Amino acid sequence: NAGVTQTPKFQVLKTGQSMTLQCAQDMNHNSMYWYRQDPGMGLRLIYYSASEGTTDKGEVPNGYNVSRLNKREFSLRLESAAPSQTSVYFCASSESGINQPQHFGDGTRLSIL
Amino acid sequence: QKEVEQDPGPLSVPEGAIVSLNCTYSNSAFQYFMWYRQYSRKGPELLMYTYSSGNKEDGRFTAQVDKSSKYISLFIRDSQPSDSATYLCAMSATTQGAQKLVFGQGTRLTINP
Repeated sequence: NAGVTQTPKFQVLKTGQSMTLQCAQDMNHNSMYWYRQDPGMGLRLIYYSASEGTTDKGEVPNGYNVSRLNKREFSLRLESAAPSQTSVYFCASSESGINQPQHFGDGTRLSIL
Repeated sequence: QKEVEQDPGPLSVPEGAIVSLNCTYSNSAFQYFMWYRQYSRKGPELLMYTYSSGNKEDGRFTAQVDKSSKYISLFIRDSQPSDSATYLCAMSATTQGAQKLVFGQGTRLTINP
């Protein structure tokens, strides 16, 4: 079972470059999420998609855009990367409703110089 | 001030010890409380899920929620070296659609053989 797959696993960018992080899930889940994890900060929600065709801002959306391409795929785009966006990015998915756990990918480690 | 506070540790204990991990929170609307375990270079995985106040036990793990004190705990009995990981508490107030989680900073735990 693949679960949640994130690509790439590692990336180094220069300030001002753009990049799209890809996420795909094979569990037929309705909801998908993007988080960033920084030392001492835990995971913080960037954007989420409750269902195909909808997206909403989370706690730290500035500097990011998302696309829910279809039910399986949810991408995160950095239009003009900044050093403050150096982080580990996690994608997650879950079924809708209460008592539904979120399943996480293994992350994309992004460094911006 | 963060909505969810968690002692980042690190915490180091001998094999077989009882481990207590704790989080406090400030948002009274939180109803769903989770503990995630994260191994190095991996995504978080759900360990325990509790709704409202009370205790929940699963093998060597016990989760406690005290909503009156805004305090949750995870106890690990007979700790094993394989329990060495970062433990993250997470909480949600959402009952419909996507579950917007708020995470603590995570506690890094090492169990020494």
